Amino acid sequence: KAGVTQTPRYLIKTRGQQVTLSCSPISGHRSVSWYQQTPGQGLQFLFEYFSETQRNKGNFPGRFSGRQFSNSRSEMNVSTLELGDSALYLCASSLDPRPMNTEAFFGQGTRLTVV
Amino acid sequence: AQTVTQSQPEMSVQEAETVTLSCTYDTSESDYYLFWYKQPPSRQMILVIRQEAYKQQNATENRFSVNFQKAAKSFSLKISDSQLGDAAMYFCAYRSGANSKLTFGKGITLSVRP
Repeated sequence: KAGVTQTPRYLIKTRGQQVTLSCSPISGHRSVSWYQQTPGQGLQFLFEYFSETQRNKGNFPGRFSGRQFSNSRSEMNVSTLELGDSALYLCASSLDPRPMNTEAFFGQGTRLTVV
Repeated sequence: AQTVTQSQPEMSVQEAETVTLSCTYDTSESDYYLFWYKQPPSRQMILVIRQEAYKQQNATENRFSVNFQKAAKSFSLKISDSQLGDAAMYFCAYRSGANSKLTFGKGITLSVRP
């Protein structure tokens, strides 16, 4: 069974540009969550999608957005990139957010560098 | 809001020895789950062990076990018979019963000396 796949693995963008990251969950998983990991702030929750609907959102500016398609694949978009957006972006999938002990499986992340 | 604190940024252990990683959390909820994740250099987060708050018995997974002290809001991870492959960053995480969001601690870098 394939794991969570994130593409691309590495990305270099210029300030002011926008970027789209992709996450393909494990087959059958319908919940996809996104996290930002930086040395200073650690791991922070961005948002979670389930059945194409955003169910939960973290404390990030509106430049960060996402969506989920009918096949559960998810994309996140960051517009007007800032240097501080440089981070490892991790995607996690799970069968369903409930019951709450459902394990979240993580992808290997996309390393975004903004120059 | 829930918070997770890992106060030790780094720890080191001799191969085959035992090490304990500390974690405290703060919440006013009664329904929640706690996790330890491992992040090796490959960056992929791997679930090590989980604990349901309603269970009094401490979770165990092979060489990994937790000491869950609910009243003290403490959740430490014990790694027995440490192996070189245990070297990684370890994160303590909290998940509310109300939603699926994981709140992580800052992490601790564990090194294993041969």
